[in-house]
Amino acid sequence: GAVVSQHPSWVICKSGTSVKIECRSLDFQATTMFWYRQFPKQSLMLMATSNEGSKATYEQGVEKDKFLINHASLTLSTLTVTSAHPEDSSFYICSAQEVAGARLDTQYFGPGTRLTVL
Amino acid sequence: QQQVKQSPQSLIVQKGGISIINCAYENTAFDYFPWYQQFPGKGPALLIAIRPDVSEKKEGRFTISFNKSAKQFSLHIMDSQPGDSATYFCAASRYSGTYKYIFGTGTRLKVLA
Repeated sequence: GAVVSQHPSWVICKSGTSVKIECRSLDFQATTMFWYRQFPKQSLMLMATSNEGSKATYEQGVEKDKFLINHASLTLSTLTVTSAHPEDSSFYICSAQEVAGARLDTQYFGPGTRLTVL
Repeated sequence: QQQVKQSPQSLIVQKGGISIINCAYENTAFDYFPWYQQFPGKGPALLIAIRPDVSEKKEGRFTISFNKSAKQFSLHIMDSQPGDSATYFCAASRYSGTYKYIFGTGTRLKVLA
């Protein structure tokens, strides 16, 4: 149980284009989803927290107009990298927390999306 | 006060040995401490987690030791195997509308066959 998927698993795009990454909780409903960014050999950096039906909360230093997050349902959140540039190339990982119950504190992570901007 | 300090940065252990990774935190409001394992190119996977009301938790070969007064917790991997070679992250969290994690810097573990 508690499976989170991401699509696509990897994407290559040209500079200036936009890329959408989907995060789905497959077997549970998620009140909250998180988006992280991870550079090679580094830790996970939280970008934003999204709650179903409300605006995402962005961490300090993260451009909300660049990284658009939509949490349309209890099983789907999307991250759109707008006007991508080479410096946006990174590993993007989402996580999800269950709606209720004993595992409210646990984040279940997706497999990640490797974005390369040329 | 929001930092979680993790050590060592890298660790090499012989097969069958014990791997020990340490984390320290400052914010006494933290009340949930998970450990995640990450393989290259994959997302982190929950290994084991603990709350401050217990000093130790064991699941299979993985044990968390928790020292509330010292604000430290550690992961022990018993009988380490080459398949355990991965990066391990500790995290600390507290409820503030949701459980947002503060991650440690990670430890790259290599278990020699």
